Amino acid sequence: QVQLVESGGGVVQPGRSLRLSCAASGFTFTGYAMHWVRQAPGKGLEWVAFISHDENNIYYTDSVKGRFTISRDNSKNTLYLQMNNLRAEDTALYYCARDYHGGKSDYWGQGTLVTVSA
Amino acid sequence: EIVMTQSPATLSVSPGESVTLSCRAGQSISNKLAWYQHKPGQGPRLLIYGASTRAPGIPARFSGSGSGTEFTLTISSLQSEDFAVYYCQQYNDWPPYTFGQGTNLEIK
Repeated sequence: QVQLVESGGGVVQPGRSLRLSCAASGFTFTGYAMHWVRQAPGKGLEWVAFISHDENNIYYTDSVKGRFTISRDNSKNTLYLQMNNLRAEDTALYYCARDYHGGKSDYWGQGTLVTVSA
Repeated sequence: EIVMTQSPATLSVSPGESVTLSCRAGQSISNKLAWYQHKPGQGPRLLIYGASTRAPGIPARFSGSGSGTEFTLTISSLQSEDFAVYYCQQYNDWPPYTFGQGTNLEIK
């Protein structure tokens, strides 16, 4: 069965960096685009980044452009989110999600919590 | 960026009843609208895409309708496991993909 397992979250000071990982299994990872979506405490879902199956197309929400980098290692079936210069407003539960035919997501992980605090 | 607005923010309903949730797009998104169910401690679950197509494995009591800017999700004969937060999401004009703020469906 399809599984997405995020890791790498934690407590970090403002301005520092963190790298999230998402281990995929149960499907042909190389055949799917992927997303990162986050949920700040008490808030709704916010799309963060997208990467196509072949890494040729990458997009970010404006608030993370220049600070976050989405990437993937298809040989390891793993999705990444490198987060630099973290801000308090980046505090959230970060989900990876599999793209389902262009934009919606049919499988999600359970999330990894990132807390940015001094 | 397309703003998605859901109403109401909270809905209190009794099991067995039917309910309709609304989602409005700030501009036309054709039928590029998805609905998700989200429970605490879990990732969101895709219910509906293309405004009205149920995702695989989704029970028939979930139905979606609408096009352009006005959309609805109807859940008939509510079951205990249906109480959750529901989000709509547009994927017509991106980036960014945008979600509504959610409707919390709670037990009355």
